[in-house]
Amino acid sequence: DIQMTQSPSSLSASVGDRVTITCRASQGISNSLAWFQHKPGKAPESLIYGASNLQIGVPSKFSGSGSGTYFTLTITSLQPEDFATYYCHQYNSYPYTFGQGTKLEIK
Amino acid sequence: EVQVVESGGGLVPPGGSLRLSCEGSGFTFGLFWMTWVRQAPGKGLEWVANIKHDGIEKNYVDSVKGRFTISRDNAKNSLSLQMNSLRVDDTAVYYCTRGAAPSLWGQGTLVTVSS
Repeated sequence: DIQMTQSPSSLSASVGDRVTITCRASQGISNSLAWFQHKPGKAPESLIYGASNLQIGVPSKFSGSGSGTYFTLTITSLQPEDFATYYCHQYNSYPYTFGQGTKLEIK
Repeated sequence: EVQVVESGGGLVPPGGSLRLSCEGSGFTFGLFWMTWVRQAPGKGLEWVANIKHDGIEKNYVDSVKGRFTISRDNAKNSLSLQMNSLRVDDTAVYYCTRGAAPSLWGQGTLVTVSS
């Protein structure tokens, strides 16, 4: 199985900050990588697919990059509603797998 | 409104069975792969199974192979997950999602396996 490792596992930031979360795959997955935002008690929201493509309706403050084994999610100008847990997800090889999550907390 | 809505969760004893359902609306259901993802209490997201548009290709995570069966009825815009021989570690919120790379998520349905 492909292991997805996110770093950091948790991150404290302030409103207005820019943050970057990284995701490493244990083997190459081309650009078959998605990012999700998840708030407690709510449905996850899809942010990015194909490593860098924004889902419809997702603001441009979110951006993704990478290919192969190394990927990043960058969020600019943090707002209170952005504080959540973020997951990367590979859909290149079965079984598909998720990273362990990065909890973004307000400082 | 474009949405997927899950139902069928509940409390079941170890070794028991449960069938989850998901109804899609606002989009052409039969054009999309459909996927089940779960989240155990205090844990991260786990991919469980998916099914191709025509229902012929199905894929599962190893821990549910032989116990869970994913199926769909495109005429009814519905997706199902038949869960047999349930174990305590199957306890989770189960999400129905649209797409091989999920683009739309439901609110989830809670499955609790406990005696």
